[in-house]
Amino acid sequence: DIQMTQSPSSVSASVGDRVTITCRASQDISGWLAWYQQKPGKAPKSLIYAASSLQSGVPSRFSGSGSGTDFSLTISSLQPEDFATYYCQQAYSFPLTFGGGTKVEI
Amino acid sequence: EVQLVESGGGLVKPGGSLRLSCAASGFNFKTYSMLWVRQAPGKGLEWVSSISPTSDYIHQPDSVKGRFSISRDNADNSLYLQMNTLRADDTAVYYCARLRGSYPDFWGQGTQVIVSS
Repeated sequence: DIQMTQSPSSVSASVGDRVTITCRASQDISGWLAWYQQKPGKAPKSLIYAASSLQSGVPSRFSGSGSGTDFSLTISSLQPEDFATYYCQQAYSFPLTFGGGTKVEI
Repeated sequence: EVQLVESGGGLVKPGGSLRLSCAASGFNFKTYSMLWVRQAPGKGLEWVSSISPTSDYIHQPDSVKGRFSISRDNADNSLYLQMNTLRADDTAVYYCARLRGSYPDFWGQGTQVIVSS
């Protein structure tokens, strides 16, 4: 199974900050990576697929990059509604696996 | 508008069974692969099962293989998860999601499953 490791597990930030979350795969997954946002008590929301493609309706302050084993999600200017937990997920092979999550908090 | 509405969750004893449903609307259901993902209390996301549009391809992790069965009814725009021999560590919120290509793009609101005596 491909292991997905996110860092940091939590990050404290302020409105307007630039925030970067990283995700590392235990083997080469090319660009087969997605990012999700989840707020407490809510379903995950899809943000990015194929490492860097924005899902429809997702604000442009979110961006994804990387390939192979190292990936990142960047929020260019943190907004109040962005405080949430973020997960990466590899879609390269079954079993599909998620990172452990990164909580973005004040 | 794409909508996915899960139902069928509840409290069940260890060893028991439960059948979850996911009602889809707002898109051509029969052309999309679908999947189930769960989240244990305070934990991360775990993929549970995937099914292709015509049910030709089904994938599951070893943790549920032989106990859980995914199916769909394209005439009824519905996705199902039959869960047997339930264990305490199956306690979670279960989400259905639509796959666009290889990636989930829309998620339901989830249904809670509690396995406890």
